Amino acid sequence: DGGITQSPKYLFRKEGQNVTLSCEQNLNHDAMYWYRQDPGQGLRLIYYSQIVNDFQKGDIAEGYSVSREKKESFPLTVTSAQKNPTAFYLCASSPGTDSYEQYFGPGTRLTVT
Amino acid sequence: AQKVTQAQTEISVVEKEDVTLDCVYETRDTTYYLFWYKQPPSGELVFLIRRNSFDEQNEISGRYSWNFQKSTSSFNFTITASQVVDSAVYFCALIRGSTLGRLYFGRGTQLTVWP
Repeated sequence: DGGITQSPKYLFRKEGQNVTLSCEQNLNHDAMYWYRQDPGQGLRLIYYSQIVNDFQKGDIAEGYSVSREKKESFPLTVTSAQKNPTAFYLCASSPGTDSYEQYFGPGTRLTVT
Repeated sequence: AQKVTQAQTEISVVEKEDVTLDCVYETRDTTYYLFWYKQPPSGELVFLIRRNSFDEQNEISGRYSWNFQKSTSSFNFTITASQVVDSAVYFCALIRGSTLGRLYFGRGTQLTVWP
């Protein structure tokens, strides 16, 4: 069964703690993406990666970090520097970064108190 | 500047009604790609359609149809004979030829279909 998995579905953290969100895909896609969604908002791009060991900042990268050590994995770390981390986080992948549609995982809802 | 505008924040219809979701985009690129995604209550975005800027043919897929008009920079989505299962948030999105891989989303339209 090919697809994108994100774990966990719900995540709770105390303010000041770093937290890492998992994203794995078995679609053999080259490109992977992280988005943040807030209530009533569209998705905003945090980071994206076109190839292993390479990634670029999106529109709201401050307070976040990523790594791409393997083609199938693109974990996102929400650091304590992110001022408003509570949100719904979606991971996506696509065959390449040209015109291809992106396929999304089920998302992780992060709550920081 | 917002590149994709979905002016309708919420739409409510009764089952079997037809409904059109509006999308207006903005780009100076001659090559671009337009998308529609559905986000059901579960949260996962489901890809519905992709359209290239050089292909203005309308598309029909079952009860879904899309009207792409470059003259008005619009890419509207119509659901015919709506069903309760169509209730979701629908997003229109754009990839510009000059920034390939960057998907710009509208704010979405919440569609509620009542039985």
